[in-house]
Amino acid sequence: QSALTQPPSASGSPGQSVTISCTGTSSDVGGYNYVSWYQQHPGKAPKLLIYEVTKRPSGVPDRFSGSKSGNTASLTVSGLQGEDEADYYCYSYAASNTLVFGGGTQLTVL
Amino acid sequence: EVRLVESGGDLVQPGGSLRLSCAASGFTFSPYSMNWVRQAPGKGLEWLSYIRSSSSVIYYADSVKGRFTISRDDAKNSLYLQMNSLRDEDTAVYYCARGYQYSLDVWGPGTTVTVSS
Repeated sequence: QSALTQPPSASGSPGQSVTISCTGTSSDVGGYNYVSWYQQHPGKAPKLLIYEVTKRPSGVPDRFSGSKSGNTASLTVSGLQGEDEADYYCYSYAASNTLVFGGGTQLTVL
Repeated sequence: EVRLVESGGDLVQPGGSLRLSCAASGFTFSPYSMNWVRQAPGKGLEWLSYIRSSSSVIYYADSVKGRFTISRDDAKNSLYLQMNSLRDEDTAVYYCARGYQYSLDVWGPGTTVTVSS
């Protein structure tokens, strides 16, 4: 049950786009379309942004989008805003009936 | 309003036990899978356990298998986590989260567990 690999940090200026990667294996990210993404502000509970790789829950701005290629999933935040500064986590179903998070990425809006 | 609220967090000595509860409201609890997730101080999120509707399927992370037990009482709209043989490294904020297609679509605010002598 190794954690999925995310870059520790990412940054971008307001209005720009930034993409956060999440790398796993064929036993988790690559093997199932059950990748989701979460945003967490300091001291708050996480919030679901993307589920089933590309789907957005109602109320989540379309500035947030998800994709997957092979064993790597990605979250793209377009039109960066100050409120997007937060930690972001990917999460995937994995073989052997487990679920696993990525290590998290701290996004800074410059 | 769809809501989850955890309770039961406390200061406990190493080797001790604790039972966490999660009260659900604003939705029909029984058809949903539920999960426990924790976050150690300054660290990332860690999935701990999953329980499907009717308790038909249960999964655990290796880090808690054999020590923690997840359960649910659909009549009380409640989820539980029995934690035994607690260790220092179990110190964390514990969240319950509703499951949807192996994602976590509703989260509680969390309850804090501190394991220390």
